[in-house]
Amino acid sequence: GDSVTQMEGPVTLSEEAFLTINCTYTATGYPSLFWYVQYPGEGLQLLLKATKADDKGSNKGFEATYRKETTSFHLEKGSVQVSDSAVYFCALNNAGGTSYGKLTFGQGTILTVHP
Amino acid sequence: DAGVIQSPRHEVTEMGQEVTLRCKPISGHNSLFWYRQTMMRGLELLIYFNNNVPIDDSGMPEDRFSAKMPNASFSTLKIQPSEPRDSAVYFCASSLGGEAFFGQGTRLTVV
Repeated sequence: GDSVTQMEGPVTLSEEAFLTINCTYTATGYPSLFWYVQYPGEGLQLLLKATKADDKGSNKGFEATYRKETTSFHLEKGSVQVSDSAVYFCALNNAGGTSYGKLTFGQGTILTVHP
Repeated sequence: DAGVIQSPRHEVTEMGQEVTLRCKPISGHNSLFWYRQTMMRGLELLIYFNNNVPIDDSGMPEDRFSAKMPNASFSTLKIQPSEPRDSAVYFCASSLGGEAFFGQGTRLTVV
């Protein structure tokens, strides 16, 4: 079945550091890929998405490129802020099947940014 | 649109009591999902509906858990009887086949 694997956390960075959170996936067909963010005490919010190979999703300074050849969707940000501290989830939706929009999530990566 | 609305936001109940969590999906969405989040297990999909019909309930942990979707604008997740190990944050999400939109969650504590 479909699966998503994220890099082990937690990740601790200083403000203005470069961020990479690795995400790889296993899926049949041509899934859509997503990054969600969860701030403390809140629900998950869509951060960015990519629906086909080589697409780049971007939002709030975060970027991720859909790499079909390496089955990856790594999240990057050039300069993190304290306000980026949150849990980040990589997810896929295998729209090629009858998934009805069901998302398969990675385990989440806790990011803490210090001033 | 107000987004996915869940109630209550917090629930504290005694072991053995019945608990009902409620969800109003985004208008026009045809899929609804119930997730549970704990530190130990992360985010788990419990059940999901499409056009009000349960499609996959394989994630429902036990017979104590049940979910209904009587119409396109309302769903419930019921736990009867509740146990301390059910303590978690329960999320509802809705979708139109693409990305899912999540509610704020219900934090359930069973004492």
